[in-house]
Amino acid sequence: GIQVEQSPPDLILQEGANSTLRCNFSDSVNNLQWFHQNPWGQLINLFYIPSGTKQNGRLSATTVATERYSLLYISSSQTTDSGVYFCAATGGEGAQKLVFGQGTRLTINP
Amino acid sequence: DAGVIQSPRHEVTEMGQEVTLRCKPISGHNSLFWYRQTMMRGLELLIYFNNNVPIDDSGMPEDRFSAKMPNASFSTLKIQPSEPRDSAVYFCASRLRGFSYGYTFGSGTRLTVV
Repeated sequence: GIQVEQSPPDLILQEGANSTLRCNFSDSVNNLQWFHQNPWGQLINLFYIPSGTKQNGRLSATTVATERYSLLYISSSQTTDSGVYFCAATGGEGAQKLVFGQGTRLTINP
Repeated sequence: DAGVIQSPRHEVTEMGQEVTLRCKPISGHNSLFWYRQTMMRGLELLIYFNNNVPIDDSGMPEDRFSAKMPNASFSTLKIQPSEPRDSAVYFCASRLRGFSYGYTFGSGTRLTVV
């Protein structure tokens, strides 16, 4: 099945900084999503983005399917952006199985 | 739209007891998924259903785990007997089957087996 790798594993920034999180995947994807797991453990869907670019406020994401990677951009970080960001994808064999990366833990300090 | 609803939010039980986790998917969604999150293994798929039929249960760790979906609006994940290593957060997710739709997750059930 598809494999998903995220980098960096940890990222510590000051409030106001910008950040880029990366997701590499091993096969062509049918579905790719970015999630934010907040301090209460909830998985919040940020983007459904198997290809192309989307923006939502200070967050944007780009997936280059032909090169098998996706990027999540966070601009002007706020402390509330802290948490773990997951990339998850379906693709290849078992196309309904949403496979998660190990996540990037983002800490925004005031 | 109330989203995917899971209950209970927290469950503490003693080793050997039966545990039942519940999930109500988003109305109209025809695929349902159970995931488990642990520090060691991250988020892993346990089982999923299409149109209430179990399709792939290869992620279910042992025979102690079972899942049912008696109708389109309800699913259960049961652990009998429970063990301390089953302690984890269990998530339910649903989607409208088809490649253009994403997955929506519930708030999870944090299970602690003592």
